[in-house]
Amino acid sequence: KAGVTQTPRYLIKTRGQQVTLSCSPISGHRSVSWYQQTPGQGLQFLFEYFSETQRNKGNFPGRFSGRQFSNSRSEMNVSTLELGDSALYLCASSLDGNGANVLTFGAGSRLTVL
Amino acid sequence: QQQVKQSPQSLIVQKGGISIINCAYENTAFDYFPWYQQFPGKGPALLIAIRPDVSEKKEGRFTISFNKSAKQFSLHIMDSQPGDSATYFCAASINQAGTALIFGKGTTLSVSS
Repeated sequence: KAGVTQTPRYLIKTRGQQVTLSCSPISGHRSVSWYQQTPGQGLQFLFEYFSETQRNKGNFPGRFSGRQFSNSRSEMNVSTLELGDSALYLCASSLDGNGANVLTFGAGSRLTVL
Repeated sequence: QQQVKQSPQSLIVQKGGISIINCAYENTAFDYFPWYQQFPGKGPALLIAIRPDVSEKKEGRFTISFNKSAKQFSLHIMDSQPGDSATYFCAASINQAGTALIFGKGTTLSVSS
């Protein structure tokens, strides 16, 4: 069973540019959530998508956006990049059955903003 | 109120010893508390989780102790092994499904042989 796949794994951008990151969840998983991981702030929740709808949202500016497609694949976009956006962006998928769900994380996309 | 405070930031334990990591929260609406383990270059992986209606949960060498009145919970790793050396994150869910998590800042555990 394939895990959560994130692409690209590494990328370098300059300030002011925008970036799109992709996440393919485990087959059958309907929920996809995104997290930003930095040494200073740790793991921070960005947003969660279920059935192509944003179901929960963290405390990030509007420059951070996402979407989910009908096949559950998800993308997140960061516009007008800032130096502080340099981070590991992690995607996690879950089955989203009844009760608490186990999040399975991908290996992440490491973004460096110069 | 949406914070989870985790301590210590780093921990060194001898092989065979007990590792203890503590977390505290304020929002009583949180109702699912997982612990994640992360190795360098990998995404976090679920270790063990608990609901607040249970005071303790044990899976192998890993135990969560939960104190609802104090709004605190902790992870105990018994008989710690060098392979347990990793970063550990406690978390609390802001939704019933457990798909939107607020994480602690993490504890880097090093088990010396």
